Amino acid sequence: GENVEQHPSTLSVQEGDSAVIKCTYSDSASNYFPWYKQELGKRPQLIIDIRSNVGEKKDQRIAVTLNKTAKHFSLHITETQPEDSAVYFCAAGGTSYGKLTFGQGTILTVHP
Amino acid sequence: KAGVTQTPRYLIKTRGQQVTLSCSPISGHRSVSWYQQTPGQGLQFLFEYFSETQRNKGNFPGRFSGRQFSNSRSEMNVSTLELGDSALYLCASSLEGASRGYTFGSGTRLTVV
Repeated sequence: GENVEQHPSTLSVQEGDSAVIKCTYSDSASNYFPWYKQELGKRPQLIIDIRSNVGEKKDQRIAVTLNKTAKHFSLHITETQPEDSAVYFCAAGGTSYGKLTFGQGTILTVHP
Repeated sequence: KAGVTQTPRYLIKTRGQQVTLSCSPISGHRSVSWYQQTPGQGLQFLFEYFSETQRNKGNFPGRFSGRQFSNSRSEMNVSTLELGDSALYLCASSLEGASRGYTFGSGTRLTVV
C-alpha cells in the first residue's frame, strides 16, 4: 500500500521567516496530495491541495510543489506568523475511494 | 452550513466493553471516512462509506466496524475494547471521496481504562 514519509518532525522558525515541509510517497498511482493544519485540540483543516497534473499551486502565503518523477511534494509557508504554529500533515490518495495516507506530521513553531 | 458533527466528544470505557461513535456529515456529502489518531501512529485510516456501502477498509482488526445510514450519518463500533484503542477518532465527510477534499469533525476522544 501507499506509504508517506514527512520531514522534519519539528520545525522552529522566527516570525517572518519561511518554512518548508517535505513529503515523499511510494505509490506512483497516487494523484491527489492535500495538506492539513491541526491546531492544538482542534480538527485537521485542509489548507491547500494539489493534483498530479499540476506542478505548483499557491494561495497567498502558502504554496505546494509536486515532483511526480521523484515522488515528493512540499509545503512552503512564507512570511510566517505566530498563528501559523500548528501540526501540519501531508497526505496522498486518489487511488482508493475515500482513503488518504497521511504523513506523521510536522510540529511548526513560529516564535514572535 | 453546518459542519461535521461527531458525538460524543469524550468517552471513558473499561477494557472489554464496546463503544459506538456517531458522525453526521455535511448536508449533501455522501462519503464518510473514519480515522484513528494517536501520538505514535498519526492518522490511520479505518474505513470509508459511500451511499451506505463500505468502499474501503484499513488494516484494523475485525473489532472495528461501521455502517452508514440512508441519511449519510455514520456510526463506528469497537467491540472488546483494549487499552491500545485509546485515541482520537475522527470522521471526515466529502462529496464523493477523499480526492474531492475532506472536512473533518472535531473527533471523539476515547479513553480505555
